[in-house]
Amino acid sequence: SYVLTQPPSVSVAPGQTARITCGGNNIGSKSVHWYQQKPGQAPVLVVYDDSDRPSGIPERFSGSNSGNTATLTISRVEAGDEADYYCQVWDSSSDHKVFGGGTKLTVL
Amino acid sequence: EVQLVESGGGLVKPGGSLRLSCAASGFTFSSYSMNWVRQAPGKGLEWVSSISSSSSYIYYADSVKGRFTISRDNAKNSLYLQMNSLRAEDTAVYYCARKCARTIFGVVISYYMDVWGKGTTVTVSS
Repeated sequence: SYVLTQPPSVSVAPGQTARITCGGNNIGSKSVHWYQQKPGQAPVLVVYDDSDRPSGIPERFSGSNSGNTATLTISRVEAGDEADYYCQVWDSSSDHKVFGGGTKLTVL
Repeated sequence: EVQLVESGGGLVKPGGSLRLSCAASGFTFSSYSMNWVRQAPGKGLEWVSSISSSSSYIYYADSVKGRFTISRDNAKNSLYLQMNSLRAEDTAVYYCARKCARTIFGVVISYYMDVWGKGTTVTVSS
């Protein structure tokens, strides 16, 4: 089955840029989606199809995907961005939806 | 307002059964495929099962195949998850999520989940 690898944690100071990676074999050939989950809350879709944003998601959230790594970039990080972030792809060979292990973003 | 509300969680003994429900509102439920996703305490998200809009296509994660059954009732705008032979490792918050597909020339190239419920907690313990 397809495996997605995320760093367990990323730390960044307010106002700086956070980059959260998601590694997978030739992930650049797949569409990657990103979810934000704050403590005690349900996940929220923040980026879909590599780089598109749902309505209501700030432009500070952006994504890219190439080769074996997809990246969620959060510009001008705010305290309210502190959360767990998960990447997700569709494994067409099994029709399973695969999540990465999640990355905890800490705003210093 | 688009909304999903799960119910049916609780405490059950190993080997027992439980049926989860998800009530949908604010959108045309019968037009969308749906998913169940779970999250064990302190762990990440795990996709559990999905069902197409007309129930024609159903998929399960290997960890629940043969024990869980997903179903839906479009007339009642409801999604269900029948869970049998429950194990301690099934303990989790269970979310229902609306499934969106991106297609190019009629071919699906990606699936993602754009609306999530708040979840219902299932605890399997003796």
